[in-house]
Formats: sequence, structure tokens, C-alpha cells
Amino acid sequence: GAVVSQHPSRVICKSGTSVKIECRSLDFQATTMFWYRQFPKQSLMLMATSNEGSKATYEQGVEKDKFLINHASLTLSTLTVTSAHPEDSSFYICSVRLARQLSIYEQYFGPGTRLTVT
Amino acid sequence: AQKVTQAQTEISVVEKEDVTLDCVYETRDTTYYLFWYKQPPSGELVFLIRRNSFDEQNEISGRYSWNFQKSTSSFNFTITASQVVDSAEYFCALSELNTGTASKLTFGTGTRLQVTL
Repeated sequence: GAVVSQHPSRVICKSGTSVKIECRSLDFQATTMFWYRQFPKQSLMLMATSNEGSKATYEQGVEKDKFLINHASLTLSTLTVTSAHPEDSSFYICSVRLARQLSIYEQYFGPGTRLTVT
Repeated sequence: AQKVTQAQTEISVVEKEDVTLDCVYETRDTTYYLFWYKQPPSGELVFLIRRNSFDEQNEISGRYSWNFQKSTSSFNFTITASQVVDSAEYFCALSELNTGTASKLTFGTGTRLQVTL
């Protein structure tokens, strides 16, 4: 069964509004989650690393004030796209990092959220 | 800095043909993991394989096989007797083992495989 869920799966919003995307780890507690963005016909680009109980770590070029990440519990991380613009339209995918053995991690990906900003 | 290159942007084959998807990577780390993921049109990433840098044995899983060559920094993926259901985007990815970086994944640009009847 699915390990990671995302909600909503699709969202359309108007330019200037904010959108919140949820990522839930269904069967495991996750201290670390990742947020990726994928533009049409392009690869996944890591946006930020979400750490439970602390501030997210953003990749270079990603505006932390625009993409707010909250990892308030071990099973939920949220990504809020603030003041969305059409160029923010993309496929947003989260993943959960789980430790299989010492220093061996696997990432389980959510089904993604397709955001369209009109 | 890590980098993953998938030179083939799109491949089209006829069903039952064999097809190889190339992946070349760059890293300064001596220990790392390599992955292949499948992304069907629905968008959800499907994990196919993980291989650590110390294990150069080739692996076969059904119609799928992987050839890891550390000397050429390549981790190629072959589908034997391709089927229409194999049509998808395939991504190769690299992960450090340095826990300080949280094991971030660096993805290649992907190869779109189209299998036709």
C-alpha cells in the first residue's frame, strides 16, 4: 500500500492567492521529508529538506518566503505556495526519508500535486 | 557537486524489442547510491532499484537488468522484450551517503520511453 500521501492531487488557484499542499507519511514516522518540483517534461528538482521540529533547509535559488514549509509532526509536512503566480504552476512531489539500516536511507515518494495558477 | 546525465531524452521502440537507457553520473564521494525510478503518465514515481557504490554486480529482475560500471561512472538500465506498459519516463538518480546532507537525491533529466505495437 501507499506509504506517502499528498493532498490535494490537483489544485487550480488564481494568481496572488496562496495554496497549501500536505504530505503525509502513512505508516512511518519521518523526521525528514523532501519537497521537489517538476516542470512539464523536465526532471525533479529538490526545493527543500523538511525537518520535523526545525526550520526547513532550502536549495539555492528557492525563495523560502514564497515556499513556506512546516513540518510540525512526524507524519505531516506542508508546503504553502504564497502569492502564487502562473510560473509557479508545476507538479510538486514530496518524499519521506526512512532509515533501513544504519546510514542507509530510502525515499518514498508521494503521488504528487499538480498546481495550476491562472 | 553531483550530476546525473541521461543523454537520451526520448526513445521509441516497437514492442518486444530490447532497449537500454543510459545513465552517467559524477560525484566526488567514494560511497554513494544509485537509483532508477519509473514515472508513468499518472506522475507517481515508482522505485525500481537501488545500488550502492561498493556493489558492482549486475542485477536482473524479470525483464529488467542493470549494468553498473564504476570505471565509466555508468549505471545503465535494460528492458528486455519491451511492452507497451513500459512506456513511461525513467529517471536515474544519485544519493550521497553523507548523513549531514540528509541523503538528498540528484535526478537525471529523464528518458521518455515510448513502446508501440
